[in-house]
Amino acid sequence: GQQVMQIPQYQHVQEGEDFTTYCNSSTTLSNIQWYKQRPGGHPVFLIQLVKSGEVKKQKRLTFQFGEAKKNSSLHITATQTTDVGTYFCAGFSGAGSYQLTFGKGTKLSVIP
Amino acid sequence: DVKVTQSSRYLVKRTGEKVFLECVQDMDHENMFWYRQDPGLGLRLIYFSYDVKMKEKGDIPEGYSVSREKKERFSLILESASTNQTSMYLCATSVLLDTQYFGPGTRLTVL
Repeated sequence: GQQVMQIPQYQHVQEGEDFTTYCNSSTTLSNIQWYKQRPGGHPVFLIQLVKSGEVKKQKRLTFQFGEAKKNSSLHITATQTTDVGTYFCAGFSGAGSYQLTFGKGTKLSVIP
Repeated sequence: DVKVTQSSRYLVKRTGEKVFLECVQDMDHENMFWYRQDPGLGLRLIYFSYDVKMKEKGDIPEGYSVSREKKERFSLILESASTNQTSMYLCATSVLLDTQYFGPGTRLTVL
């Protein structure tokens, strides 16, 4: 079945440093979504990418979808303590399935 | 705003008990999902439903069943709870391939 790999599993950064998490799928994705889960909370949708090579920005967050639609990345510029949490990518393979396959997440810690 | 509620935030049950976890959504979404979340394993799909009385197995359906008698309600059933089912259970809803909205989760402990 479809697998979505996400690295790194953990990342500790000093406040103000940049952060990137990477997501790779074993199959071509029809779209990819990113979620953030704060400590003690539930996953909350951040963004969805659909087109090959798509780049979207949300303030300090930049999301990319690879040309082959098999990989994606989330980059945070100048991290803040409010960025703390676990970031998940999740992809749909399409083919009539509504199943979203999640990566295992990257847990970000920000040292003030 | 989409609201997804789950019947309990914390639940403690004994091995062998039958456990019901309920999820209710107020946005008329067709799709509903049950995940479990364990440290280091991320979110794993147990079952999902794309319509009333319809259900599909996810990646880890063993030991679980589901029920969807009404569009807004999706129940997860542990027929005979075991200690390896101690976990955080998350319900989610969506329209087609769009955003998934998660409930607050139920932390289940099976003793």
